[in-house]
Amino acid sequence: GQQVQQSPTSLVLQEGENAELQCNFSTSLNSMQWFYQRPGGSLVSVFYNPSGTKQSGRLTSTTVIKERRSSLHISSSQITDSGTYLCAMATGGNNKLTFGQGTVLSVIP
Amino acid sequence: GPKVLQIPSHQIIDMGQMVTLNCDPVSNHLYFYWYKQILGQQMEFLVNFYNGKVMEKSKLFKDQFSVERPDGSYFTLKIQPTALEDSAVYFCASSYQGNTGQLYFGEGSKLTVL
Repeated sequence: GQQVQQSPTSLVLQEGENAELQCNFSTSLNSMQWFYQRPGGSLVSVFYNPSGTKQSGRLTSTTVIKERRSSLHISSSQITDSGTYLCAMATGGNNKLTFGQGTVLSVIP
Repeated sequence: GPKVLQIPSHQIIDMGQMVTLNCDPVSNHLYFYWYKQILGQQMEFLVNFYNGKVMEKSKLFKDQFSVERPDGSYFTLKIQPTALEDSAVYFCASSYQGNTGQLYFGEGSKLTVL
């Protein structure tokens, strides 16, 4: 089965609304990262967050390692936030990332 | 922040030809990775590389694939010969540590095999 489960699969927001994206891991992990993938495909690192809460502007990530989950909160969404948000976990000794399927976010006016 | 550069951004080749994808990792990083993403599908690990050697490879890393980083130059992924199913975006990543720490990704090289 899927080692990294992301929810929801897709999400449509009105501009200004908030969003909460979830990532659950089926195994223990060393760390995790959140990425934003632009509609054109390029990848942007959003957070490296092995544990605890991190904030950057309108984005907040909270990882609870012992519960094997992480969340990404987007406040006051903007149209330019549209795209795919990927979470990935690192396990084992080689720092290899296993990715989730992604959450496709669409922010509409 | 630190940048990983990939060249080319897009390449179109005929099936059976050879292709080399180049990656310029973050300057003091020691660990290097390739990931593959077929259009509309999940990002998947191909291989990681340290100190001149492949550390781990997935079942997607076929015999036609090879990686190297000669003398601190580009970290390369070579596919010879290419097949139609190799069409994908290939992402390079690097990290300073091998067992933990943030991976920094390039913007991807889109490979189209005709």
